[in-house]
Amino acid sequence: RKEVEQDPGPFNVPEGATVAFNCTYSNSASQSFFWYRQDCRKEPKLLMSVYSSGNEDGRFTAQLNRASQYISLLIRDSKLSDSATYLCVVNVVGGGADGLTFGKGTHLIIQP
Amino acid sequence: DTAVSQTPKYLVTQMGNDKSIKCEQNLGHDTMYWYKQDSKKFLKIMFSYNNKELIINETVPNRFSPKSPDKAHLNLHINSLELGDSAVYFCASSPGHAEGLAILDTQYFGPGTRLTVL
Repeated sequence: RKEVEQDPGPFNVPEGATVAFNCTYSNSASQSFFWYRQDCRKEPKLLMSVYSSGNEDGRFTAQLNRASQYISLLIRDSKLSDSATYLCVVNVVGGGADGLTFGKGTHLIIQP
Repeated sequence: DTAVSQTPKYLVTQMGNDKSIKCEQNLGHDTMYWYKQDSKKFLKIMFSYNNKELIINETVPNRFSPKSPDKAHLNLHINSLELGDSAVYFCASSPGHAEGLAILDTQYFGPGTRLTVL
């Protein structure tokens, strides 16, 4: 089983719709979680951290489910500019160079 | 203002050559990293470097060696390049640090260096 798994997509979603995708992780010792966004041929950029209680930043909501070992990202009122690849990142503090693991990403395409 | 910069942006070279990629960050961060993103877009950490402590991903061949002249720079040297080294290499930095192993918190990435080995 892969350490961090995401549905690669692509998810084709009409503008204005709500879209959600999950990321599962295998290491129960994982302690911090992030969503990064990567545009085509660009570097990844932090979108938001994921807190145990869930957190919201504008149209974006992130949730953590430790029991089932997954995190989720919800995007409301999607915009064309939301088209990107969304990378799930899971960290085991003190895990050294292997402590930070990136998923392969979910490709999102917002259509006009 | 570029927070994390890398040079060159593109690098095309022959198999067997030795090459270097430079990275600089002006964020005052304590920890820097190198990542490799292959053709399947899988992003994998190669090294983290914090306070002169190097943490190496065991899967990285020893042909790859990071060198840090100071806290703001972490260069990547690659010896005897192979076809499979073709990828995009990202440098990153983060503010966190700790005794011993680095705390791998929010990563600030450079724009990437696209390496093609012929």
